[in-house]
Amino acid sequence: GENVEQHPSTLSVQEGDSAVIKCTYSDSASNYFPWYKQELGKGPQLIIDIRSNVGEKKDQRIAVTLNKTAKHFSLHITETQPEDSAVYFCAASVSNTGNQFYFGTGTSLTVIP
Amino acid sequence: DGGITQSPKYLFRKEGQNVTLSCEQNLNHDAMYWYRQDPGQGLRLIYYSQIVNDFQKGDIAEGYSVSREKKESFPLTVTSAQKNPTAFYLCASSISGYTSTDTQYFGPGTRLTVL
Repeated sequence: GENVEQHPSTLSVQEGDSAVIKCTYSDSASNYFPWYKQELGKGPQLIIDIRSNVGEKKDQRIAVTLNKTAKHFSLHITETQPEDSAVYFCAASVSNTGNQFYFGTGTSLTVIP
Repeated sequence: DGGITQSPKYLFRKEGQNVTLSCEQNLNHDAMYWYRQDPGQGLRLIYYSQIVNDFQKGDIAEGYSVSREKKESFPLTVTSAQKNPTAFYLCASSISGYTSTDTQYFGPGTRLTVL
């Protein structure tokens, strides 16, 4: 089955700096890659996603890039703010196998004011 | 107000007791999912249902059971056979369970503690 690895497990940045979280996947048939933000004690919230026919997607301060050849995708947060502090999860879904998501192990991001 | 609701938010049970976690959605989604979350391990799939009256085991189904009698409801029972039931349980739904590019939306979760 698909295997998703996520790095780093923890990340601290100064307010205003950029943060980058990277994920790799193993199944070349994966075609959908969502990113979720989870605040303490709450359910994950989708923040951005990308499909395999697109190399980059941006939404205000958040962007995701996808390299299908290398089988990795990354989340980029610019101009970080204290409210960006949370745990971020990447996931991958494999084409023609239904809608089962394979999650990374999460990155705990702390933005230092 | 559309969304996914899970109840209760916190649940305490004695060892050896079965317990049922509720998940309801009013998004008119066909597919629903149950995940277990432990610290440092991400989300692991317990069961999923692509359509009413049908469901499949996920990666860690042992010690759990589900039913899907109504489109909007997907309750999860944690049985006494589950060796380590203390965890954060998350329910999710998506428009279809057959399309790999459909987004899954999550509920707020239930934290189960077995004493």
